[in-house]
Amino acid sequence: TQLLEQSPQFLSIQEGENLTVYCNSSSVFSSLQWYRQEPGEGPVLLVTVVTGGEVKKLKRLTFQFGDARKDSSLHITAAQPGDTGLYLCAGATMGDYKLSFGAGTTVTVRA
Amino acid sequence: SQTIHQWPATLVQPVGSPLSLECTVEGTSNPNLYWYRQAAGRGLQLLFYSVGIGQISSEVPQNLSASRPQDRQFILSSKKLLLSDSGFYLCAYNRGGGMLQETQYFGPGTRLLVL
Repeated sequence: TQLLEQSPQFLSIQEGENLTVYCNSSSVFSSLQWYRQEPGEGPVLLVTVVTGGEVKKLKRLTFQFGDARKDSSLHITAAQPGDTGLYLCAGATMGDYKLSFGAGTTVTVRA
Repeated sequence: SQTIHQWPATLVQPVGSPLSLECTVEGTSNPNLYWYRQAAGRGLQLLFYSVGIGQISSEVPQNLSASRPQDRQFILSSKKLLLSDSGFYLCAYNRGGGMLQETQYFGPGTRLLVL
C-alpha cells in the first residue's frame, strides 16, 4: 500500500499548456521531496519543502506543501518538451531513515 | 561536492547465476545508504538500507542480500538470480541528521535483465 498517492498516473499535454501533479497522504511528514526521472537514469532532486504552507518556485515549476504537511502539489507553467519525465514525490518522517515514495506521474509534453 | 557511482550500468545474467552490484559515495562521511528496485515507469521499492558499516536493514524478503564493507560502499548481491529479479536498481544516499538531510540523492542506476 502506497503511503503517498500521486495523481494523475499519466499526463499528456501540448507544449505551452499548464499542468499540476498532486501528492496526497493521510500521514504527516516532516519534509517532502519532488524528483524528476528520465528513462534509464536515476531520479534527480527538484526541491525539498519542510514548512506547512510553504511555496517554492523553480523557474516555471511551483511546489506547494500543504498547511497540515500531508500533501503537496507541483505546478508547471507553459510546459516544454524538456519537462517530460517521471515525477516522484517522497515524504520523510522525523526519526525514520526511510522515505515513502509515491508511485509517480508520467508527464509527456508534446511539441 | 558529493557524488554517487553505480556499476555496472547494464547487466544481462542467466537464471541461477550470482549477482553483485556495487555503489560508492564520494565527498561525505557516514552516509545512510539505500538500495531500491524500480519497475518500468513506476515508483521505487525500497530493498535495503544501512545507517553504518555492517548495519543492514531489509525491507522485503527475497533472494537478494546487501552488505556494507566500508563506510561509503554498498553492495547488492544474490547467490542465484530469478527471472523476477530483472529491473532497474538504484542506489541512494543521504547525510542523515536534521530534516533537510532526509533528502536522498540517487545514483545512475543499473539495468538488470535476467534471462
